[in-house]
Amino acid sequence: AQSVTQPDIHITVSEGASLELRCNYSYGATPYLFWYVQSPGQGLQLLLKYFSGDTLVQGIKGFEAEFKRSQSSFNLRKPSVHWSDAAEYFCAVGAREAGNMLTFGGGTRLMVKP
Amino acid sequence: EPEVTQTPSHQVTQMGQEVILRCVPISNHLYFYWYRQILGQKVEFLVSFYNNEISEKSEIFDDQFSVERPDGSNFTLKIRSTKLEDSAMYFCASSEQGTNVLTFGAGSRLTVL
Repeated sequence: AQSVTQPDIHITVSEGASLELRCNYSYGATPYLFWYVQSPGQGLQLLLKYFSGDTLVQGIKGFEAEFKRSQSSFNLRKPSVHWSDAAEYFCAVGAREAGNMLTFGGGTRLMVKP
Repeated sequence: EPEVTQTPSHQVTQMGQEVILRCVPISNHLYFYWYRQILGQKVEFLVSFYNNEISEKSEIFDDQFSVERPDGSNFTLKIRSTKLEDSAMYFCASSEQGTNVLTFGAGSRLTVL
């Protein structure tokens, strides 16, 4: 069965500091990996995705993520956090083909200190 | 930018009542989905829908639930005989053919009393 673990429920960083959110997955085939962000009262917005190719993927809002097959990880990073990045972040795994379910992690709530 | 629209944003209902949550997917998308998030828990897959039929569903999606595309633009989730544990945020999503990249709506919060 597929699963996603986000070990950190809450993270607080200072504005301007770097950020890394952890994601570990379990998937029986080639994974299709995603990071979504949810701001209060909003839906889930796609930050970036990985299916194949370069293991370092760039997303919107200055985020990037690195796929490490040997560690079954897909950690999200940002070199300098802005106050507007405060939100909940979800990692997800699924198949590439449309119609297949995505399995989400429990989410990491990011708080940004001024 | 195209978006997925969901109504209502919040619905309060009595236990045992039926509710219908509505979604307008992105117009050129062919796959439609419902997910739910119980407060404090993970986002969970309910069902995916393509070509007027269910393509995949989870264990959560039992006979209490049904989906329908009643016309060319709407996609609905019906929950019959609601229970307290159905209280959750329900997210609709859609995707183009050939890709599992979902665009989510803002969600419909269901509160069952």
